[in-house]
Amino acid sequence: GENVEQHPSTLSVQEGDSAVIKCTYSDSASNYFPWYKQELGKRPQLIIDIRSNVGEKKDQRIAVTLNKTAKHFSLHITETQPEDSAVYFCAASIKRNTGRRALTFGSGTRLQVQP
Amino acid sequence: DADVTQTPRNRITKTGKRIMLECSQTKGHDRMYWYRQDPGLGLRLIYYSFDVKDINKGEISDGYSVSRQAQAKFSLSLESAIPNQTALYFCATSWGRDSEAFFGQGTRLTVV
Repeated sequence: GENVEQHPSTLSVQEGDSAVIKCTYSDSASNYFPWYKQELGKRPQLIIDIRSNVGEKKDQRIAVTLNKTAKHFSLHITETQPEDSAVYFCAASIKRNTGRRALTFGSGTRLQVQP
Repeated sequence: DADVTQTPRNRITKTGKRIMLECSQTKGHDRMYWYRQDPGLGLRLIYYSFDVKDINKGEISDGYSVSRQAQAKFSLSLESAIPNQTALYFCATSWGRDSEAFFGQGTRLTVV
């Protein structure tokens, strides 16, 4: 199937703690895995992405890891701050019935950082 | 700044009415998408287009149709709106294969 599964659906952490969100995908030929952040009432915006030729990528407090063999990838946020509170979506470039690839999104994780 | 613009931003319509949501972009991207967002279901792909003459169904295309009038314009139509099409609709664009998608501001549609 053309699936991206995302867990957990909600996550509450204390300020300063780490947060981890995990996704699995079905298409073993997928090569592109972005993560989006959606603040309340706003549009989703890219925060980090990774391609299949790399196992890990880091940008300040945010990192993404990819395990192509197991077909899963994860978002890690360290030293969380209240402004990290949002809904996070993982996505994968999945081949569809048309033979073309398009981004398929997970169901989202609502992260709440408690001050 | 180059952007993706959706109109209208909010719309309330009655069951059975035909409605069109419009999307235009000044990013010069070739690919355009329509997604639907429902609580707990993420962003689901309705239709996508890689070029003016290219239209592809996504995972939830039933009850919807699209038109790619120009490289910069991609409209979504609900032929006969029903209440379970009440949702937040996003248009997105990207350039080439396996690249970042840029989203419009969203259209909140309510079907009563």
